[in-house]
Amino acid sequence: GAVVSQHPSWVICKSGTSVKIECRSLDFQATTMFWYRQFPKQSLMLMATSNEGSKATYEQGVEKDKFLINHASLTLSTLTVTSAHPEDSSFYICSAIHTRSNTGELFFGEGSRLTVL
Amino acid sequence: GESVGLHLPTLSVQEGDNSIINCAYSNSASDYFIWYKQESGKGPQFIIDIRSNMDKRQGQRVTVLLNKTVKHLSLQIAATQPGDSAVYFCAETGNQFYFGTGTSLTVIP
Repeated sequence: GAVVSQHPSWVICKSGTSVKIECRSLDFQATTMFWYRQFPKQSLMLMATSNEGSKATYEQGVEKDKFLINHASLTLSTLTVTSAHPEDSSFYICSAIHTRSNTGELFFGEGSRLTVL
Repeated sequence: GESVGLHLPTLSVQEGDNSIINCAYSNSASDYFIWYKQESGKGPQFIIDIRSNMDKRQGQRVTVLLNKTVKHLSLQIAATQPGDSAVYFCAETGNQFYFGTGTSLTVIP
């Protein structure tokens, strides 16, 4: 099956620093990738939809200047949490749609845990 | 994919019993449905899918039932095992992806 890889799997940073999380589709091309955050015991919350070569579409309430998304190639999307604060600590997950998929199935990464001290 | 960050409903079952997890979907135009399993600290994993032209599909120990009339989807897990403890959520797709809020399943040994 298609594989989506996230890096890093866990990052700890100081308040005020910026952190970049990568999402890669390893064996397929993904025109569209999604970024989610998830707090403990809660469901996935969609943050933004990332389309290759264009600006990301952010969900209501998500600050685009805070969470920078870049989808520069068909296999890589990045999420940068700028000036991170403890309330940004969360589990960030990406997913991708195969460009040639006619099923609509999403393939998820393993997630990246961000801890801001 | 659209979802809401609500606290998850929980379901506890005895090991060996069957589990039934329910999901109500919202978009009558959705034509493809997926169940995902998410273990603690991991990303969601595909379990089973079903298209709108079917009302039942079986996998290994899992069965998905689709009732389009009432827009209801269920996941049945036979002979539930401790390794089945996880969060389960459904997704519906058509032109958009929508996720259910999920259910936290705990298997009691």
